[in-house]
Amino acid sequence: GEDVEQSLFLSVREGDSSVINCTYTDSSSTYLYWYKQEPGAGLQLLTYIFSNMDMKQDQRLTVLLNKKDKHLSLRIADTQTGDSAIYFCAETVPGGYNKLIFGAGTRLAVHP
Amino acid sequence: EAGVTQFPSHSVIEKGQTVTLRCDPISGHDNLYWYRRVMGKEIKFLLHFVKESKQDESGMPNNRFLAERTGGTYSTLKVQPAELEDSGVYFCASSRGGEAFFGQGTRLTVV
Repeated sequence: GEDVEQSLFLSVREGDSSVINCTYTDSSSTYLYWYKQEPGAGLQLLTYIFSNMDMKQDQRLTVLLNKKDKHLSLRIADTQTGDSAIYFCAETVPGGYNKLIFGAGTRLAVHP
Repeated sequence: EAGVTQFPSHSVIEKGQTVTLRCDPISGHDNLYWYRRVMGKEIKFLLHFVKESKQDESGMPNNRFLAERTGGTYSTLKVQPAELEDSGVYFCASSRGGEAFFGQGTRLTVV
């Protein structure tokens, strides 16, 4: 079955690193995504990783994928107040016509 | 280029009433998706259009929900009659086949 789980809340100090974790159940996932939702805004694609990769880095963002454990993480280096948002993990599976299967979202709060 | 736009941004209706949500995708995007987030839970897929055809409507909760995309441009999602559990944020997304671009969502509150 298809299920994506995330912890609901994370609080970090400005300048520290944030690590948001996600687990998924479908081993046939093709792509895994991280979306960001700021207050009053839609979902913005932050980054994605293909299922045959184990790491992807994009400026302050690092995505790690452990396919054996079906675990995905997003690390934000030097977290800023502008990073405060809800972060959603999502996957697509073969034959799904790119429909996204989301987790419940992790609310990241950055404090001074 | 305009992004995905959704109307209205908020709607408060009474149980039993009808509400119609609208989504205008990015021009030229054949794929249009509807999703819903209820009460801080996961965002759930509702359905997928390719042009005017329903490719996948497996996520539609029940027959009180009707989605249309006449002419393959904008789409509407009608809830009739609305129930309390229909409250949530309804997102629309569009794509050419790759990255999906999301609208800001419609927050529906049924009282």
